[in-house]
Amino acid sequence: GDSVTQMEGPVTLSEEAFLTINCTYTATGYPSLFWYVQYPGEGLQLLLKATKADDKGSNKGFEATYRKETTSFHLEKGSVQVSDSAVYFCALAGTSYGKLTFGQGTILTVHP
Amino acid sequence: GAGVSQSPRYKVAKRGQDVALRCDPISGHVSLFWYQQALGQGPEFLTYFQNEAQLDKSGLPSDRFFAERPEGSVSTLKIQRTQQEDSAVYLCASSLAPGVQETQYFGPGTRLLVL
Repeated sequence: GDSVTQMEGPVTLSEEAFLTINCTYTATGYPSLFWYVQYPGEGLQLLLKATKADDKGSNKGFEATYRKETTSFHLEKGSVQVSDSAVYFCALAGTSYGKLTFGQGTILTVHP
Repeated sequence: GAGVSQSPRYKVAKRGQDVALRCDPISGHVSLFWYQQALGQGPEFLTYFQNEAQLDKSGLPSDRFFAERPEGSVSTLKIQRTQQEDSAVYLCASSLAPGVQETQYFGPGTRLLVL
């Protein structure tokens, strides 16, 4: 079945550091890939998505590229801010109606 | 506009009690999903509705879990004879239409604690 693996966390960075959170997946067919973010005290919200191979999703300075050859969708940001502290979830939608399969989440803490 | 809402936000139940969790999706959204999120884990799929039809209930962990969406809008997840292992956050999400490219919009969740 479908599965998503995220890098082990938590991740702690200083402000303005470069961020990478690794995500790899296993799926049949042609899934769409997502990054969702959960800020403290808030619900899950979409950060970015990519719906086909080689697509790049981007939002709020974050980017991720759908790499079919390596089955990866790594999240990157060039300069993190304290306000980026949150839990980040990689997910895929592989069924016809869009059921999401999530990774276990990565806690990011950014210090001033 | 209004997002997905869920109620109650918190529920404490004694083992063996029945609970009902409500989800109000975004108006006009055809697809509705329920997920279960254990502490420190990613959400896991429970069940899917397309309008009023429950098309996938493969993620429901036991026959104590039951979900309905009778008029194709509001949905209720019911857990009978709750057990301690049912303690989790229950998330509802809706999307405008079925499809792998659709964005799901999540509610704030209901945190269930079974004592």
